[in-house]
Amino acid sequence: DAKTTQPNSMESNEEEPVHLPCNHSTISGTDYIHWYRQLPSQGPEYVIHGLTSNVNNRMASLAIAEDRKSSTLILHRATLRDAAVYYCILRDVVQGAQKLVFGQGTRLTINP
Amino acid sequence: EAGVAQSPRYKIIEKRQSVAFWCNPISGHATLYWYQQILGQGPKLLIQFQNNGVVDDSQLPKDRFSAERLKGVDSTLKIQPAKLEDSAVYLCASSLVGRVRLNQETQYFGPGTRLLVL
Repeated sequence: DAKTTQPNSMESNEEEPVHLPCNHSTISGTDYIHWYRQLPSQGPEYVIHGLTSNVNNRMASLAIAEDRKSSTLILHRATLRDAAVYYCILRDVVQGAQKLVFGQGTRLTINP
Repeated sequence: EAGVAQSPRYKIIEKRQSVAFWCNPISGHATLYWYQQILGQGPKLLIQFQNNGVVDDSQLPKDRFSAERLKGVDSTLKIQPAKLEDSAVYLCASSLVGRVRLNQETQYFGPGTRLLVL
């Protein structure tokens, strides 16, 4: 499985932007970059995904490096509710399987 | 629309006992997944169903874990007998295959069942 590397933890202040980095130097040409997050005591939830171009949705933005070996999830204005573990995942389609391979993720703490 | 439902939310058992978890996916979702999440780690896939057929069970400890998805809707995951190291959160997820390519589809997760084996 293609691997991703994320910092174990990050901290930010409420109402400030947050940039969560992810390195994926072994990404293949057909791998999509997905981000999920897991709020305390809940299952993971989808945040955003992209292939080559930067992507925006109501939750976040995804900036993808030109060589695709890294990406950054951007929360434009963090709230306390954004405190969660954020997972950067490369979608692995092997023999028809669509599994998500989760790493350790980045634990984001938001200070009031 | 209703999300993925799981029950029970919490379960405490003694080692060597058996336990079963139930999952009802989002209506119409053909694919169902069971993940195991040990404290401090990311979820790990145990088994994936496409309708009522198994697609991937390579990480399922088959000597003690079993899962079924009769009629291609809800699913049950069983552990028999349980070991201390099975203490974890068991997450069920589902996805709707067909509208997008497989590596773009979104998985929707339930709240999980927290299992403690004493």
